Amino acid sequence: GQQLNQSPQSMFIQEGEDVSMNCTSSSIFNTWLWYKQDPGEGPVLLIALYKAGELTSNGRLTAQFGITRKDSFLNISASIPSDVGIYFCAGQESSNQFYFGTGTSLTVIP
Amino acid sequence: DAGVIQSPRHEVTEMGQEVTLRCKPISGHDYLFWYRQTMMRGLELLIYFNNNVPIDDSGMPEDRFSAKMPNASFSTLKIQPSEPRDSAVYFCASSSAGWTQYFGPGTRLLVL
Repeated sequence: GQQLNQSPQSMFIQEGEDVSMNCTSSSIFNTWLWYKQDPGEGPVLLIALYKAGELTSNGRLTAQFGITRKDSFLNISASIPSDVGIYFCAGQESSNQFYFGTGTSLTVIP
Repeated sequence: DAGVIQSPRHEVTEMGQEVTLRCKPISGHDYLFWYRQTMMRGLELLIYFNNNVPIDDSGMPEDRFSAKMPNASFSTLKIQPSEPRDSAVYFCASSSAGWTQYFGPGTRLLVL
């Protein structure tokens, strides 16, 4: 199946720092999504991107759909303790199937 | 609005037993997806339905797994017989027109 490489695998940062993570694929996607998963819960959608080059913000979160359509980036500014969790990227090709990255585990140290 | 509802939230069973997981998608959504999440393999798509019809079941691990969607508001994922390696968190997700998927809280399955 489709391979999505997500990095970094884990991050430990101080409260207030900015965070960057990215996702790359071996083929072109039409849609990129970013999810956050809290312990014991299902993934919750953060941002959806539908167009190459698109830059979308949701509060302190900003995500971009790469120009090549093979990558996407998520940035979190001024991190706070409740940002802790696992962040997943997901990409969609022409079919209705989404492929998920392996996740980035974020720990914010107060 | 109610999100995706899954039951049970936790299931502990013995090897060889039948397990049935249930999902109620968001009203009006015409796509329903079943995923399995493990530490080793991450999130894996098992099967998805469109308008209650299974479209792609290539992710179903083996014949012990089966899924049905008898109507637009209910789906089941059944494992028979269950094995310890089936222990995982199983998520159901739904979407409208195949776009953004919304996940349920998951069912944590432990097969002893």
